[in-house]
Amino acid sequence: GQSLEQPSEVTAVEGAIVQINCTYQTSGFYGLSWYQQHDGGAPTFLSYNGLDGLEETGRFSSFLSRSDSYGYLLLQELQMKDSASYFCAVRGRAAGNKLTFGGGTRVLVKP
Amino acid sequence: DTAVSQTPKYLVTQMGNDKSIKCEQNLGHDTMYWYKQDSKKFLKIMFSYNNKELIINETVPNRFSPKSPDKAHLNLHINSLELGDSAVYFCASSQGLAGVRSSYNEQFFGPGTRLTVL
Repeated sequence: GQSLEQPSEVTAVEGAIVQINCTYQTSGFYGLSWYQQHDGGAPTFLSYNGLDGLEETGRFSSFLSRSDSYGYLLLQELQMKDSASYFCAVRGRAAGNKLTFGGGTRVLVKP
Repeated sequence: DTAVSQTPKYLVTQMGNDKSIKCEQNLGHDTMYWYKQDSKKFLKIMFSYNNKELIINETVPNRFSPKSPDKAHLNLHINSLELGDSAVYFCASSQGLAGVRSSYNEQFFGPGTRLTVL
């Protein structure tokens, strides 16, 4: 089976940097994805790491260490609009591009 | 020019009824999914179809029956609705079954259908 752990909530001020950690246990592993979901909205894709290292996309970066079964999402120069839930998701070796999601981290950005 | 659309957006119904949710994607993707998100925001895969063929069926009660008439549509029919079925149901699509490329691993989600069973 697969399980993922991430913090339930993080609070930070505008302009700050937030790191959301995700540790996972899986019987087979292909990669780690991150999704953002605003209240009442749909999850939207942020990043995918299939290999170790850092992937940077604008203010957001994602990191993966396969040997540590660990990844993180880094949110830089926080803006009010970044207040949302962030989910890590593991793509395992099951057929069909199956994603198993973590419980989500609610990020609250304060002025 | 909506990428993944679902209807209806809200669905309120009585226990025991049968209801359907429709999903369409205009992205030309081969793979489509149904997810359930509960009140604690836990998001779980239910089904996945690739080119109209069922690929994933995640121990979902057989009251739930997906149907894919073509690769742009994936509908979800639910029989004998129960209180515990209340949730938000998301349809999603991806370019294909995952590969090395990031683009194959990106799933595009529809706006969701909030189902309330009374």
